[in-house]
Amino acid sequence: GAGVSQTPSNKVTEKGKYVELRCDPISGHTALYWYRQSLGQGPEFLIYFQGTGAADDSGLPNDRFFAVRPEGSVSTLKIQRTERGDSAVYLCASSSGPGVGYYEQYFGPGTRLTVT
Amino acid sequence: GESVGLHLPTLSVQEGDNSIINCAYSNSASDYFIWYKQESGKGPQFIIDIRSNMDKRQGQRVTVLLNKTVKHLSLQIAATQPGDSAVYFCAETSSNTDKLIFGTGTRLQVFP
Repeated sequence: GAGVSQTPSNKVTEKGKYVELRCDPISGHTALYWYRQSLGQGPEFLIYFQGTGAADDSGLPNDRFFAVRPEGSVSTLKIQRTERGDSAVYLCASSSGPGVGYYEQYFGPGTRLTVT
Repeated sequence: GESVGLHLPTLSVQEGDNSIINCAYSNSASDYFIWYKQESGKGPQFIIDIRSNMDKRQGQRVTVLLNKTVKHLSLQIAATQPGDSAVYFCAETSSNTDKLIFGTGTRLQVFP
């Protein structure tokens, strides 16, 4: 079956611009996670959705970052007034239930964001 | 795809040899641990997990060891193959949170 998909695969934007990154989870998966991975580092947690609601957004670095999941499936990560430090690979993962210790997370290929 | 890490610690092994990748985790309250494999241009892929009530778990060609006293995990890969070449990450979490905390990765290079 289809895995987690993310679009675009690459995004180049100018400093100060607004970007949206999209994640399509595995069909039927209720839990959705966003991570950010900087070069040479492990993924860093940003936000977790259970259904339509953000159950934990404590990883969002500041108020320029926002994510939505209005119908409980597709999610969009929105970054306002992008900065060069936002350049990273943004990963999305989904799982069939809540609790990272009970349901395996399946990761998408990521969106590589470059802010020039 | 873009490499996820150009300056990671690197382990180079010959095909057929065994590999051991180590990880120090940060939180003594963590009770669940996962090893992930990440190939260039792809997201992390689950390899094997272990709970804190165990100190060893075996899968197909892989074994994870957990030493809670010194907060240390290791991943052993038997008879390493060229397809095992990737970056490997350990991740930790606890049962009262939904966050995975990833460690720094190790790049495994397998030579014929």
